[in-house]
Amino acid sequence: DIQMTQSPSTLSASVGDRVTITCRASQNIDSWLAWYQQKPGRAPNLLIYKASSLQSGVPSRFSGSGSGTDFTLTINNLQPDDFATYYCQQYITYWTFGQGTKVEVK
Amino acid sequence: QLVESGGGLVQPGGSLRLSCTASGFSFSDYSLIWVRQTPEKGLEWVASINSRSNYIYYAESVKGRFTISRDNAENSLFLQADSLRAEDTALFYCARLALGSNYIELWGLGTLVTVSS
Repeated sequence: DIQMTQSPSTLSASVGDRVTITCRASQNIDSWLAWYQQKPGRAPNLLIYKASSLQSGVPSRFSGSGSGTDFTLTINNLQPDDFATYYCQQYITYWTFGQGTKVEVK
Repeated sequence: QLVESGGGLVQPGGSLRLSCTASGFSFSDYSLIWVRQTPEKGLEWVASINSRSNYIYYAESVKGRFTISRDNAENSLFLQADSLRAEDTALFYCARLALGSNYIELWGLGTLVTVSS
């Protein structure tokens, strides 16, 4: 099974900050990686697919990069609506999620 | 959108049938997936089914106990969950995979399954 490891587990930030979340796969997944945002009591929402493609309707302050085993989600100019939990997910072999990164108010 | 139903409280060893009703898109074109979430284990893929129901896959944790199916005429996805265990307690989401790819592009609202005596 492919394991996905995110870091950090929790991140404290302020509005306007640049935030970076990393995700590491236990084996090569090429670019078959997605990022999701989840707010309390809500379902996850797709932000990025194929490692760096921005889903339609998602603000351009979100960006993704990486390939192989190491990936990054970056949020530029953090907005109040961005405080949430973020998950990476591989989809090259079935589906596996990272454990999540909670972005909280500093 | 996707709307799940059928969750509830069930005793260990019992069964539940979860349903997911779709609207607003051509249901029969898409592959679908069940994902569950718990605070302890996070998000976990459960089962998947392609548009014609000829490719079906299960996570090892539910293989032999859960059955995924769909009715394209009724725009509905199902998950028959048998021999339920306490560790199956979770919020179950149905979700739609992107056409021609395997990432999840649309999630349902979720239905809560609680396995407890």
